[in-house]
Amino acid sequence: AQSVSQHNHHVILSEAASLELGCNYSYGGTVNLFWYVQYPGQHLQLLLKYFSGDPLVKGIKGFEAEFIKSKFSFNLRKPSVQWSDTAEYFCAVKFYNTDKLIFGTGTRLQVFP
Amino acid sequence: GAGVSQSPRYKVAKRGQDVALRCDPISGHVSLFWYQQALGQGPEFLTYFQNEAQLDKSGLPSDRFFAERPEGSVSTLKIQRTQQEDSAVYLCASRHPLAGNTGELFFGEGSRLTVL
Repeated sequence: AQSVSQHNHHVILSEAASLELGCNYSYGGTVNLFWYVQYPGQHLQLLLKYFSGDPLVKGIKGFEAEFIKSKFSFNLRKPSVQWSDTAEYFCAVKFYNTDKLIFGTGTRLQVFP
Repeated sequence: GAGVSQSPRYKVAKRGQDVALRCDPISGHVSLFWYQQALGQGPEFLTYFQNEAQLDKSGLPSDRFFAERPEGSVSTLKIQRTQQEDSAVYLCASRHPLAGNTGELFFGEGSRLTVL
């Protein structure tokens, strides 16, 4: 079955620490990959996306993600987090044969000053 | 409107009651999705519309769940005879027509349903 896994359920960091959140998906041919973020009290919003081309994708607020096809992974990174990055982060995948996005279970990030 | 609008934002229902949740997508967005997000989980796909046509309803958990979009804009998700396990946030999302099926989804703030 098509699925998306996020390994880190809850991450706690201090400001300026580096961040990497894991995302893996089941094999399913061509994929489109997304990271969404949900700040406290707000709706889900797109952080970045990958469709084709350069596997290193840059998004808003200094985030980036790297698509590694051989590992079925799309990990999210940020070199130096800020308190305002406190949020829940969701990886999502659109497999080639469907229109819907399949989401991971999310990672709650808490950043302390 | 400027974004996807959902109502009500909060709904408390007694077990066995019927509920209706409304979604008003971004103007001009022909694709509309419904997701269910249980506490501590990621959004789970329920159903998908292209204009008024319901193209995929594979995620609807039971025949108590029904969605419609009769005029290709506003959509309603109806849950009949609600049960406690229906308690969740119901998210609506829409997609720009020029984005094709690879485009991002724009989400509403969700309707939080609590079934007592």
